[in-house]
Amino acid sequence: SQTIHQWPATLVQPVGSPLSLECTVEGTSNPNLYWYRQAAGRGLQLLFYSVGIGQISSEVPQNLSASRPQDRQFILSSKKLLLSDSGFYLCAWFWGNYGYTFGSGTRLTVV
Amino acid sequence: GQQLNQSPQSMFIQEGEDVSMNCTSSSIFNTWLWYKQEPGEGPVLLIALYKAGELTSNGRLTAQFGITRKDSFLNISASIPSDVGIYFCAGRHTSGTYKYIFGTGTRLKVLA
Repeated sequence: SQTIHQWPATLVQPVGSPLSLECTVEGTSNPNLYWYRQAAGRGLQLLFYSVGIGQISSEVPQNLSASRPQDRQFILSSKKLLLSDSGFYLCAWFWGNYGYTFGSGTRLTVV
Repeated sequence: GQQLNQSPQSMFIQEGEDVSMNCTSSSIFNTWLWYKQEPGEGPVLLIALYKAGELTSNGRLTAQFGITRKDSFLNISASIPSDVGIYFCAGRHTSGTYKYIFGTGTRLKVLA
C-alpha cells in the first residue's frame, strides 16, 4: 500500500535560519508530489509541485524553494526564514481522480 | 492562489443536528472532492464526485455534485462530537491537470 511520510512534526526556528522539510512516499513510483502551506485557520495554499525527478513548478513567488532529488523524495527549503513563513506545511501525493493523500504535516513556528 | 468560496466559514451545532455546507466556483469543474482535517493532521478524503448531479454517501455524510458543475454540497446527518474539524472542498477543472483548487474551509464544532 502507498504511504507518505513527512518530518519533522513540529519545528521552531529563529528568523534568518535555514529550513529543510522532507517528504517521502512508499509503495508507488514516479508520483506527483506537492507542498501546501496552511496558515492558522485558513485554507490550503499550493506552494510547489513536481511531476518527476528534478522537475519543480512554483505556484507563488516566495522565500521558499523545493527540490526533487529522488523519485520518491520531495524537499522544501529556505535559506533564511521569515516570520511570515510560519504555518502548517503539508506534503501530498496526487493520484488523479482521487485527489491527494496528505502527509501528517509539519507545524513550523518562526520566532 | 485561487480558492473556492466555501460557506459557512464556521458553525457551532448541537449533537444530533444535521449540517450543511457548500462550495461554489465561478468556473466549471469536472471533479469535486470533500476532505476533513482534524487538528494537527493532514486532510483526509471523505467523498469524491465525478458527474454533474451525482449524489454520493459515506456513512452519515452525503455530497452532491451541482447540476451547473459550479458548486458542490456536503451534508452530515445526526452530528456527533467526533465530526469536529475543518471540512474542505476541492475541485479540478479538467482531467489531466495536476492540481485541485481548495475551498477556504468550514470549521465545524459540535456541542454535546
